[in-house]
Amino acid sequence: DVKVTQSSRYLVKRTGEKVFLECVQDMDHENMFWYRQDPGLGLRLIYFSYDVKMKEKGDIPEGYSVSREKKERFSLILESASTNQTSMYLCASTLGRLSSYEQYFGPGTRLTVT
Amino acid sequence: KQEVTQIPAALSVPEGENLVLNCSFTDSAIYNLQWFRQDPGKGLTSLLLIQSSQREQTSGRLNASLDKSSGRSTLYIAASQPGDSATYLCAVLQGGSEKLVFGKGTKLTVNP
Repeated sequence: DVKVTQSSRYLVKRTGEKVFLECVQDMDHENMFWYRQDPGLGLRLIYFSYDVKMKEKGDIPEGYSVSREKKERFSLILESASTNQTSMYLCASTLGRLSSYEQYFGPGTRLTVT
Repeated sequence: KQEVTQIPAALSVPEGENLVLNCSFTDSAIYNLQWFRQDPGKGLTSLLLIQSSQREQTSGRLNASLDKSSGRSTLYIAASQPGDSATYLCAVLQGGSEKLVFGKGTKLTVNP
């Protein structure tokens, strides 16, 4: 079974802190994604990566950056956390580029910024 | 710009009922359509993936159909159970894109 894990289920940070969210997949998937999910807005793509050190902006990249130094790991970075970044963050991966493969999700990280 | 709509936003049914969840999309140039389940506070679980060349996929009590030309998909759940209670999301992979476009989901409640 494909397994996508996220470093924390719940996280509480203060405004202005630098926050790292980690995601690891164990199936040698090429593509990895970061989404945020908010009530009434659904899932919105922040960034995705289709290879090591490669990244592309999604629909809402402002205030975020990403890092993919190894194929299995994709990190989301909030450079200076703000209260409007309080959300559920979901990581996902899929096998190949421009592929017709299933997208697999991690359990999510509920981030609260106070 | 692709838009995915799921109606209704919420649905409540008695246990044992067969039900259909609807998904529509505005641009028929898709690679595939995927149905997910999400339990409260959890991540998404993939249920079924339909390639653009397929008409339907089945897994257990679930059957998903795809009509690309009309921009519609349905998820049929047979003999519903309280454990089926969750939010169901559909998403399409746009042709030429890596990005899934999600609907906002249908929250299903199956009452014992």
